[in-house]
Amino acid sequence: SQQGEEDPQALSIQEGENATMNCSYKTSINNLQWYRQNSGRGLVHLILIRSNEREKHSGRLRVTLDTSKKSSSLLITASRAADTASYFCATDARRGAQKLVFGQGTRLTINP
Amino acid sequence: EPEVTQTPSHQVTQMGQEVILRCVPISNHLYFYWYRQILGQKVEFLVSFYNNEISEKSEIFDDQFSVERPDGSNFTLKIRSTKLEDSAMYFCASRPFADTQYFGPGTRLTVL
Repeated sequence: SQQGEEDPQALSIQEGENATMNCSYKTSINNLQWYRQNSGRGLVHLILIRSNEREKHSGRLRVTLDTSKKSSSLLITASRAADTASYFCATDARRGAQKLVFGQGTRLTINP
Repeated sequence: EPEVTQTPSHQVTQMGQEVILRCVPISNHLYFYWYRQILGQKVEFLVSFYNNEISEKSEIFDDQFSVERPDGSNFTLKIRSTKLEDSAMYFCASRPFADTQYFGPGTRLTVL
């Protein structure tokens, strides 16, 4: 079954540095989405990249998708303390109802 | 900006009791979902709902679970006889015809 797995599981960097998180999956996808979750809170949608796209930007976020390697990366540039959260990739395999399959997430800590 | 809302934010119940978790999706969205996240684990898909019927459900979504859209705004998840292992954060999500799923803040269910 398809599965998103993030790497690393935890990442701690200094404020101002860039943070890169990776996600791998196993089956063909329709699109891949990245979400942020602050501790004990809801999931905030960050960005969606379709299977026919290779790169997408939104503010300080840059997402890449390599369907040949079945992997994606999320880059957060010029990190801020407020970026401290868990980041999840979620994939869906087909059009229509589109259940999302989430990875375990990367816990990102930005140190001031 | 429209948001998915969920009530209550925290529900404590005794094992064997019935609970109803409530969600108000974003108006004009067409697809509705329930997911859950056991503490420290992945977000897991439970069920998707479209055109007033279940379109897909996971193996977690057994006969103890049911969903309903009783009117034009609410979307509910009922657990008939709660078990200890049902303790989790339950997220409602909705989406329009496009692909992005928007999540609510979640209901933390604690079964004692």
